[in-house]
Amino acid sequence: RKEVEQDPGPFNVPEGATVAFNCTYSNSASQSFFWYRQDCRKEPKLLMSVYSSGNEDGRFTAQLNRASQYISLLIRDSKLSDSATYLCVVNRYNFNKFYFGSGTKLNVKP
Amino acid sequence: DTAVSQTPKYLVTQMGNDKSIKCEQNLGHDTMYWYKQDSKKFLKIMFSYNNKELIINETVPNRFSPKSPDKAHLNLHINSLELGDSAVYFCASSVSSGTGSYEQYFGPGTRLTVT
Repeated sequence: RKEVEQDPGPFNVPEGATVAFNCTYSNSASQSFFWYRQDCRKEPKLLMSVYSSGNEDGRFTAQLNRASQYISLLIRDSKLSDSATYLCVVNRYNFNKFYFGSGTKLNVKP
Repeated sequence: DTAVSQTPKYLVTQMGNDKSIKCEQNLGHDTMYWYKQDSKKFLKIMFSYNNKELIINETVPNRFSPKSPDKAHLNLHINSLELGDSAVYFCASSVSSGTGSYEQYFGPGTRLTVT
């Protein structure tokens, strides 16, 4: 079983829509959680860390459910510039290793 | 003021050659990584160094040899290149924040094509 699993998509949504991605992780010892975005032929860039209590950054909201071992990302009022691949990432401190999901592709259309 | 830089950005070479990729970070981080992203876009860790010490060495052919001369630099040397080595190689670095969470920052990637 993969450490981190994501729906590959693509999610095709109109501008202004709200879209949500989920990600599940297999190891309950995972301690840090992140969402990265990766544009075509570019490096992954940190979008936001995910905290236990959930957190929001503008139009983006991240949630963590440790009991069910999943994290989510909600994007409100989608913009064309949100089109990218969104990568779910988990980390276990004692291994100092990051596990990446294969990414969920989002296409926001006019 | 680039945070994580890699050279070269593109590398086209023939099978059997030896090549190196260099990475430098000016963020003051003490941990650096090499990742490989294949054609299916899956990002997989290869190596990690903390303060010049190798701490992660995934199942990677021993044709790949990382080297960290200091904590701001991490290089990757590849011997006897094979077609299957064609991929994008990303360097990254990380820090432990006050909340205890690690955040990684990536270089722009080196697109390696082996012909």
